[in-house]
Amino acid sequence: DARVTQTPRHKVTEMGQEVTMRCQPILGHNTVFWYRQTMMQGLELLAYFRNRAPLDDSGMPKDRFSAEMPDATLATLKIQPSEPRDSAVYFCASGLVGTGGFGKNIQYFGAGTRLSVL
Amino acid sequence: AQSVTQLGSHVSVSEGALVLLRCNYSSSVPPYLFWYVQYPNQGLQLLLKYTSAATLVKGINGFEAEFKKSETSFHLTKPSAHMSDAAEYFCAVSEGSASKIIFGSGTRLSIRP
Repeated sequence: DARVTQTPRHKVTEMGQEVTMRCQPILGHNTVFWYRQTMMQGLELLAYFRNRAPLDDSGMPKDRFSAEMPDATLATLKIQPSEPRDSAVYFCASGLVGTGGFGKNIQYFGAGTRLSVL
Repeated sequence: AQSVTQLGSHVSVSEGALVLLRCNYSSSVPPYLFWYVQYPNQGLQLLLKYTSAATLVKGINGFEAEFKKSETSFHLTKPSAHMSDAAEYFCAVSEGSASKIIFGSGTRLSIRP
C-alpha cells in the first residue's frame, strides 16, 4: 500500500531553533506539495515541486522557510529560525502528472508533522 | 483567480440522515473540482473529483457530488450518514491542468447517534 511518509510526526521546539521536516513521496510520483494547516488560516499551499524542480514557493515566508528535494525520494521543509506563529500541522502531498500539468490530478497526502514552537 | 467557498464550518446530522455539504466555486474557465476528507490526525484523502465528464460524480464510502454550472456549485451528499463519516471535508478547485489546486476552509461533519 503506497503512501506518503512524513517524519517526524510531532515536533516540539523552542523559538529560534531550526526545524527540519522530511517527506518521502510515493515512489514514481513526480510532483510534491507542502501545505500548512492551522485553525485560523486553514490549508495553505507553501511550495511545490515537479521533477524535483521548485515551481512555486510564493506561499512560503522566504526569510525563514526553505524547501528542497535533494533526490526523488526525499523532500525537506526547513524553518530557521522558528517562531511561535509557525506552530501548525505541515502536510506533504505527492502526485503523478503528465506533460499537461497537475491541476486535475489527485494529490496523496501524508499524515503530517505537528509542529509546536514554544 | 479561482476560489472555493464552503458554506458552514460545522454540520451535524443524525445517523441515518442525509448528509449535505455545500461548496460553491469561482472560476474563469471550466474548473476541475474535488472533495477530500480528513479524519482526525490524518492527512487528506480524495473522495471524488469532477473533470468535465459526467456532472454527477460518485466517490468512495457512498458519497457523491453534482456539478451545477448554473449555480457554480459542487455540493457533496450521502443518503444515509454513518458514524464513521465524522471527519472534516474539503472542497477544492483548479482552473486547469496547469493550475494550482485551491482548497476551501473545510466543513466539520459530526454524526449524532
